[in-house]
Amino acid sequence: KAGVTQTPRYLIKTRGQQVTLSCSPISGHRSVSWYQQTPGQGLQFLFEYFSETQRNKGNFPGRFSGRQFSNSRSEMNVSTLELGDSALYLCASSLAGRVETQYFGPGTRLLVL
Amino acid sequence: DAKTTQPPSMDCAEGRAANLPCNHSTISGNEYVYWYRQIHSQGPQYIIHGLKNNETNEMASLIITEDRKSSTLILPHATLRDTAVYYCIVRVPVSGTSYGKLTFGQGTILTVHP
Repeated sequence: KAGVTQTPRYLIKTRGQQVTLSCSPISGHRSVSWYQQTPGQGLQFLFEYFSETQRNKGNFPGRFSGRQFSNSRSEMNVSTLELGDSALYLCASSLAGRVETQYFGPGTRLLVL
Repeated sequence: DAKTTQPPSMDCAEGRAANLPCNHSTISGNEYVYWYRQIHSQGPQYIIHGLKNNETNEMASLIITEDRKSSTLILPHATLRDTAVYYCIVRVPVSGTSYGKLTFGQGTILTVHP
């Protein structure tokens, strides 16, 4: 069974631009969660989607948004990029949001210049 | 979710058991203890979880004290590939505000050396 895939793996943007990251969950998984990892703040939860609906949300500004499609694939978007948005963005999929069945992808490393 | 305290770093010799402690003195009766690890440049990986009984799977064993205020993750025969950051997380299994959400602390950097 294929794992969680994220594209692109690496990305360089400049301040003020926007970016869209993609996550394809494990087949059959309907929940997708997104996390941001930085050296200073560690791993922080962004949001979770289930059946195309955002079901849970972390404490991030509105510049961070996401969506989920009918095939469970998910995208997250960051608008008006800031230097502090440089991070590893991880997505995780699970059957229904139960974290013991949550599998993480390899992440997208975003660098904002 | 209850707060956890872990040592920032630990060393272990290859082939020996690695015992990683975690304190969670404010744990509630319905909260479970979860362990994840993150190998450098990879996403976190689920290891094991438990409520109050000791648990074992193919990766590790989890020992939870009787008062549930602390736990120990045991890697019985550590290898170099077990070098990673290990996270202890305490939370309810699933609830309206916790779907798909893990709250990570700083974890313990385990270094397994030859």
